[in-house]
Amino acid sequence: DTGVSQDPRHKITKRGQNVTFRCDPISEHNRLYWYRQTLGQGPEFLTYFQNEAQLEKSRLLSDRFSAERPKGSFSTLEIQRTEQGDSAMYLCASSLARESYEQYFGPGTRLTVT
Amino acid sequence: RKEVEQDPGPFNVPEGATVAFNCTYSNSASQSFFWYRQDCRKEPKLLMSVYSSGNEDGRFTAQLNRASQYISLLIRDSKLSDSATYLCVVNMDSSASKIIFGSGTRLSIRP
Repeated sequence: DTGVSQDPRHKITKRGQNVTFRCDPISEHNRLYWYRQTLGQGPEFLTYFQNEAQLEKSRLLSDRFSAERPKGSFSTLEIQRTEQGDSAMYLCASSLARESYEQYFGPGTRLTVT
Repeated sequence: RKEVEQDPGPFNVPEGATVAFNCTYSNSASQSFFWYRQDCRKEPKLLMSVYSSGNEDGRFTAQLNRASQYISLLIRDSKLSDSATYLCVVNMDSSASKIIFGSGTRLSIRP
């Protein structure tokens, strides 16, 4: 399968714990995005990488959230001191720079904070 | 006013019918437009980009109306498998952070 993959697919954690999600984009895609989606809403932009550089971050992204893409391939999204409001689907997408933001999404990681 | 607005539906139509829905956007300088399809508890999948001249892909036709700031999606001869949520996506400027997703329109096709 050469699509975008995400791991884990589901995560249940207790409030206050840290969690880390991984995204593997389509191999030739140099752009990588993280989104959060809650029920009945469209995905909300969190952050964006071009190669290994994190170029944009949403104002929604508090200092408890950090993302990396150290070698310009896979990316990780870490949430520290999770809160119940962090419960959502976390989606990763990738695209080619020349494709004008036509994005391809992974299956998502569903986070439940209890 | 939301930056990208869609009628949430649900649109409930019989198989074989033609259905259309619109999406309005607030920024007249918006640069690119897309329709995505999202099945229940699955990821969004790119359906089609929307070009100024309009474009068609099989039973699906997308149109852009810059003057009135909306895009539309028309589905002809609808199939049961078209049942999904359709997300409108607008890139408000050249930055990734201004790729705005609508909340989606739910479509249900009945036999």
